[in-house]
Amino acid sequence: GDSVTQMEGPVTLSEEAFLTINCTYTATGYPSLFWYVQYPGEGLQLLLKATKADDKGSNKGFEATYRKETTSFHLEKGSVQVSDSAVYFCALKDSGGSNYKLTFGKGTLLTVNP
Amino acid sequence: GAGVSQSPSNKVTEKGKDVELRCDPISGHTALYWYRQSLGQGLEFLIYFQGNSAPDKSGLPSDRFSAERTGGSVSTLTIQRTQQEDSAVYLCASSPGQGVNYGYTFGSGTRLTVV
Repeated sequence: GDSVTQMEGPVTLSEEAFLTINCTYTATGYPSLFWYVQYPGEGLQLLLKATKADDKGSNKGFEATYRKETTSFHLEKGSVQVSDSAVYFCALKDSGGSNYKLTFGKGTLLTVNP
Repeated sequence: GAGVSQSPSNKVTEKGKDVELRCDPISGHTALYWYRQSLGQGLEFLIYFQGNSAPDKSGLPSDRFSAERTGGSVSTLTIQRTQQEDSAVYLCASSPGQGVNYGYTFGSGTRLTVV
């Protein structure tokens, strides 16, 4: 079945540091890939998405490129801020009969210190 | 509405009691989902609605859990005879359609604590 594996947290960075959160996936069809962010006490918000191979999703300085050859969708940001502290979830939606269902990774907690 | 609304935001209940959790999706969103978020378990899919019908309820953990949706809008998740392992955050989400390119819009969740 489909699955998403993302790097274990927590990740702690200083402000203005470079961020990478690794995400790899297994899918049987042609999935779309997503990154969601959950700020403390809130629900998940869509951060960015990519719907086909080599697409790059970007938003709020974050970006991720859909790499079919390595089945990866790593999240990057060049200079993190304290306000980026949150839990980040990688997710996929596969084509086929269950194309309604988002499958999530376990989440990565990011803490950014001033 | 402007977003997905869930109520209550917090619920503390005694073991063995029944609880009802409510979700009001974005107007016009035909697809609605319930997920459960607990420490160490990540996000678990519970049930999917398309309109008022539930083509996939495979994630409901036991027959104590049920859900319905009426008028293609509001959904209620009911947990009967609550147990301590039911303690979690219950998240509702909606989307305009079911296709692979659609992401979800989530509500802020209901934090359920069974004591």
